[in-house]
Amino acid sequence: QQQVKQSPQSLIVQKGGIPIINCAYENTAFDYFPWYQQFPGKGPALLIAIRPDVSEKKEGRFTISFNKSAKQFSLHIMDSQPGDSATYFCAASANYGGSQGNLIFGKGTKLSVKP
Amino acid sequence: DTEVTQTPKHLVMGMTNKKSLKCEQHMGHRAMYWYKQKAKKPPELMFVYSYEKLSINESVPSRFSPECPNSSLLNLHLHALQPEDSALYLCASSQEGAGGGNQPQHFGDGTRLSIL
Repeated sequence: QQQVKQSPQSLIVQKGGIPIINCAYENTAFDYFPWYQQFPGKGPALLIAIRPDVSEKKEGRFTISFNKSAKQFSLHIMDSQPGDSATYFCAASANYGGSQGNLIFGKGTKLSVKP
Repeated sequence: DTEVTQTPKHLVMGMTNKKSLKCEQHMGHRAMYWYKQKAKKPPELMFVYSYEKLSINESVPSRFSPECPNSSLLNLHLHALQPEDSALYLCASSQEGAGGGNQPQHFGDGTRLSIL
């Protein structure tokens, strides 16, 4: 129940395409859902995050869609660029209990954007 | 540049050595974390410090020993490591500690550790 399932494992799109990465969870106590972007040799960088009181959040070219009833959330990258090529991790955390605030990560999606 | 600074960036050590990893943040965050990340895997939580006190130890072997000297610094002392401990060790911080709700975690770029 603590898992966050992320798909696909890898994704290749052409420049300008809209890659979509999906995540699903079971634990209804989760109430914070961040996405991290990680380049080789670097630490994960917080990209965008959403809480379950909204269904969509946009920051620049990045959009999170959140479906609370389906317990799913996804990341959309508009007008993708070769510089977006990285590994993307979704995550979730709960706001109470012994593991409060601890991030549960998905397994990651390696995105390649071709010129 | 990240606001969480980790040193050294790379470390090679033998199984009998003792070394330490260092993490520093000046954002006034009160929670700090150590993660271990193997290649092509997500980060795995090791330790959480909240208001300079160890609040979570995710069943990490005793050859890893964390220390939080003050609210800005976090150390990870290493002793008698095994080859399977080779990984990227990441430090993160967040604004609130336990009881403060979910806050964004900010990661450093990690220390790449290789055990010979």
